[in-house]
Amino acid sequence: SQQGEEDPQALSIQEGENATMNCSYKTSINNLQWYRQNSGRGLVHLILIRSNEREKHSGRLRVTLDTSKKSSSLLITASRAADTASYFCATPSGMNTGFQKLVFGTGTRLLVSP
Amino acid sequence: GAGVSQSPRYKVAKRGQDVALRCDPISGHVSLFWYQQALGQGPEFLTYFQNEAQLDKSGLPSDRFFAERPEGSVSTLKIQRTQQEDSAVYLCASSLRTGHIAGGHNEQFFGPGTRLTVL
Repeated sequence: SQQGEEDPQALSIQEGENATMNCSYKTSINNLQWYRQNSGRGLVHLILIRSNEREKHSGRLRVTLDTSKKSSSLLITASRAADTASYFCATPSGMNTGFQKLVFGTGTRLLVSP
Repeated sequence: GAGVSQSPRYKVAKRGQDVALRCDPISGHVSLFWYQQALGQGPEFLTYFQNEAQLDKSGLPSDRFFAERPEGSVSTLKIQRTQQEDSAVYLCASSLRTGHIAGGHNEQFFGPGTRLTVL
């Protein structure tokens, strides 16, 4: 089953605008990851934020994490047409099993128009 | 290339047929995961291998699903007597090691997936 919900389900913006998508999860985590999925390509890891971090930046990406609310947000600044993709948050499950299977959210489909 | 590869990229099967999906992980990667992604949904975990050992198969939907990794590298996901509800994209991912490294994580590298359509 999915870990949680992502909001919005779909987002349509113009190039140059910022895009914000949110993720809620259900269980305690030690990190949260964001992935991008383009049509015809596999999932690509974007950024990881640890549970003791509140904000992290990577290029045009900014991720926040609020463990008290069990939520995270991904901000893409100055969006480009090439950012058009589906974005998923994922949390590792099985902290004590020695491996980390990922539990994904439902995804946000982002469309950036030129 | 150095990435995870999967074959075939597309598979159409008639209901009741058996299918086999192949995953070539990144060379030297210990961990291998299979995920199933239904249309419009996020991927869902199916099974996990550490080298040749299948340590977790809790996500396999039924006993029609079987996965193996006999030599600890290439893996095959087999679906017997396919049903329409098996239609999905099947993703394979590999990671270099297992578990946690000093509070970090082992990044999973995903293949492009196999899109299975069962008619």
